[in-house]
Amino acid sequence: GAVVSQHPSWVICKSGTSVKIECRSLDFQATTMFWYRQFPKQSLMLMATSNEGSKATYEQGVEKDKFLINHASLTLSTLTVTSAHPEDSSFYICSALAGLGYTDTQYFGPGTRLTVL
Amino acid sequence: GENVEQHPSTLSVQEGDSAVIKCTYSDSASNYFPWYKQELGKRPQLIIDIRSNVGEKKDQRIAVTLNKTAKHFSLHITETQPEDSAVYFCAATARGVNAGGTSYGKLTFGQGTILTVHP
Repeated sequence: GAVVSQHPSWVICKSGTSVKIECRSLDFQATTMFWYRQFPKQSLMLMATSNEGSKATYEQGVEKDKFLINHASLTLSTLTVTSAHPEDSSFYICSALAGLGYTDTQYFGPGTRLTVL
Repeated sequence: GENVEQHPSTLSVQEGDSAVIKCTYSDSASNYFPWYKQELGKRPQLIIDIRSNVGEKKDQRIAVTLNKTAKHFSLHITETQPEDSAVYFCAATARGVNAGGTSYGKLTFGQGTILTVHP
């Protein structure tokens, strides 16, 4: 199947700093990528949909100025958590769509564990 | 928007038994239903999916059934093994291509089922 990588796999930062997470589709081009957040023992919560070359679409309740998303190429999307606080500590997972439309399939990255002290 | 309900939240079976996880969805436009397996601290792995033009799909010990009329779909695992122990998520979406040529259809996930297979 298609491979999606994420970097870094984990990060620890101080409160108030910004953290950038990269999501790459390694063997396919992805016009659409998604960013999720997952708290312990909970389901995946969609934060935003990222389309290459256009602005991301954020889910209700997700602050777009705090979670900056850039999808500059067909293989790379980045999520920047600005001015991170302890409540932002979570498991962040990206996914990328392989294929197009009705027949496409969504593949997930390995996730990034963010801990804000 | 779409709403997906998943049951049970936990499921404990003996090795060799079958396990069934059920999901219901609300949006009749949904046409794609994947199932993911997630081990602790790892990424969700697609294990099987079904599209609305079929009612059942099987892959070795795993099968998924879809009832569009009732808006529910189920995951069936036969001959369970300890390595099947994980959290399983169902999801639903309406997939398509918009006028701009990009895919639409964000996945809505169920709450997850913790499956434990005892040796």
